[in-house]
Amino acid sequence: DQQVKQNSPSLSVQEGRISILNCDYTNSMFDYFLWYKKYPAEGPTFLISISSIKDKNEDGRFTVFLNKSAKHLSLHIVPSQPGDSAVYFCAAKTGANNLFFGTGTRLTVIP
Amino acid sequence: GAGVSQSPRYKVAKRGQDVALRCDPISGHVSLFWYQQALGQGPEFLTYFQNEAQLDKSGLPSDRFFAERPEGSVSTLKIQRTQQEDSAVYLCASSLNTGRGYTFGSGTRLTVV
Repeated sequence: DQQVKQNSPSLSVQEGRISILNCDYTNSMFDYFLWYKKYPAEGPTFLISISSIKDKNEDGRFTVFLNKSAKHLSLHIVPSQPGDSAVYFCAAKTGANNLFFGTGTRLTVIP
Repeated sequence: GAGVSQSPRYKVAKRGQDVALRCDPISGHVSLFWYQQALGQGPEFLTYFQNEAQLDKSGLPSDRFFAERPEGSVSTLKIQRTQQEDSAVYLCASSLNTGRGYTFGSGTRLTVV
């Protein structure tokens, strides 16, 4: 039972344009959401997070939006750069400790 | 060290063999997690330690999987009588507290043949 879903396995974007990665979840008890970036043969690297009491969090080129009523969050990267090419995982947690991950979206930024 | 260190990076085991995977968390990190990532999937939770106490092992897929962290630092994930379905990347993560993002190691890729 996948509680966090990333329905787009891949996304290609031109350099300089906006990348939008989407994530849906089913568990209304999730209170904290995170995005991780993963390069091949490396572990996931924390990118940005958002608490359920907020609807937006921004960090440089990265912004995460949370729509609790739709149980949907998205990661915006603007402008996209070739170095952003990686697999992006959405993750969520309740007050408990473990993270629930989506299946990932492979982003390719075309120079 | 500066990051979470896992060893070995790669392990090939014959079916039925026992394996032990090691995780060195960031010094001082209280929380330690093990995740399993099958090909094309996201990481899935296996177990969680707070210091030496294993507080949650609900994600361990069978009693062939066992994890320990006896002194509250290094942790070992042991898989007995490995099966082909155990083939995956095993990720370890640690954090100072459980409130924020965790730091992951590079993982151990286990292939059972």
